[in-house]
Amino acid sequence: QSALTQPASVSGSPGQSITISCTGTSSDVGAYNYVSWYQQHPGKAPKLMIYDVSDRPSGVSDRFSGSKSGNTASLTISGLQAEDEADYYCNSFTSSSTFVFGGGTKVTVL
Amino acid sequence: QVHLQESGPGLVKPSSTMSLTCTVSGVSISSGSYYWSWIRQHPGQGLEWIGYIYHTGSTYYNPSLKFRVAISVDSSKNQFSLNLKSVTAADTAVYYCARLNIAHNTMRVWGQGTTVTVSS
Repeated sequence: QSALTQPASVSGSPGQSITISCTGTSSDVGAYNYVSWYQQHPGKAPKLMIYDVSDRPSGVSDRFSGSKSGNTASLTISGLQAEDEADYYCNSFTSSSTFVFGGGTKVTVL
Repeated sequence: QVHLQESGPGLVKPSSTMSLTCTVSGVSISSGSYYWSWIRQHPGQGLEWIGYIYHTGSTYYNPSLKFRVAISVDSSKNQFSLNLKSVTAADTAVYYCARLNIAHNTMRVWGQGTTVTVSS
């Protein structure tokens, strides 16, 4: 299985909105609504931000939202804040009952 | 509160077998609602899913690792373990254990991670 495709980096100014894409195939992203997004700050464990494509765990800001169209999922961060600067990874369940991560996207707040 | 803690040797010799353990607290590993998973992150790189196990012993592995990896569970100790054989420098990474929610196929609770270096 190949890693999901994410842009290496995305940047934005405080208050702006940014979107990170995550492209897979009809065997993973396109097959199920089991796409998750994780935020990782340096030296820390990943933190779940979005699950089931667009659901937020309790405690996660509503500035984070997710969507999916076909084989591509997206994470949007609205009202960008300095604390949002981190690496973001998408993850999908696959038709082989395995999981696959994206390569990761570094978000920079200008 | 659910807590996962990885443990194991920080330094492993090439061609040997690496063994890590994840100790779970706050929930029974025999709960039918969860799988128990291992993920790793090479230095400066992205996340790589390794595999997961159900309390019954059923396992699923990353196809790229399936011939070298084995995940097992010890319900009496509320632990699950990762064995990776024939390790090389390419297996140097931070290894995370995580609780995988079956209903949503998502890893909501993670351990803090443990660094494993493969070197002679």
